[in-house]
Amino acid sequence: AQSVTQLGSHVSVSEGALVLLRCNYSSSVPPYLFWYVQYPNQGLQLLLKYTTGATLVKGINGFEAEFKKSETSFHLTKPSAHMSDAAEYFCAVSPMNRDDKIIFGKGTRLHILP
Amino acid sequence: DAGVTQSPTHLIKTRGQQVTLRCSPISGHKSVSWYQQVLGQGPQFIFQYYEKEERGRGNFPDRFSARQFPNYSSELNVNALLLGDSALYLCASRRDRVNTGELFFGEGSRLTVL
Repeated sequence: AQSVTQLGSHVSVSEGALVLLRCNYSSSVPPYLFWYVQYPNQGLQLLLKYTTGATLVKGINGFEAEFKKSETSFHLTKPSAHMSDAAEYFCAVSPMNRDDKIIFGKGTRLHILP
Repeated sequence: DAGVTQSPTHLIKTRGQQVTLRCSPISGHKSVSWYQQVLGQGPQFIFQYYEKEERGRGNFPDRFSARQFPNYSSELNVNALLLGDSALYLCASRRDRVNTGELFFGEGSRLTVL
């Protein structure tokens, strides 16, 4: 079975500061890992994904995440926050190469302070 | 190319009524999934369809049903609506059956049950 835990339902950072959103997963088989972003009144958009290969994954809008198997983590980072980054972020897991559902975390709302 | 389109965008129903939500996937995408997103939570998997066959079902009661048509569009039906069914219903499409590819989400249908 798979599950996702996102630490912190709300995170506030100042504009220009480092963004760090934490995600830990549980999976009985090798996982695929995803980060999605949801802007108000919109659907979800894929930020980045880890499937195989390099454990440091770069995504859109300057975000990146590192898959750490030993820590079962997939934290999302961005060196310098921008006001436009204010949104809800969801970490998600799915078993590798399977015809299966994606399990989402409860989400972290990112607030950017001017 | 058009993205995933859903209709209606908003609707209000009363308890006990039935609702049908519609989804058109991205052209060329054969897999459609439905998710329920309750306010303040992450999306919860309801169904996945591929080539008109149900490929997965989440932990939802039998009041929830879906189908996929030959043109790969899909409908989600919910009978005997309860207050707790109030949520944003998201449809997502993917080109293939397995989960390597990106899930593309529509903007959702927001259902309010009074």
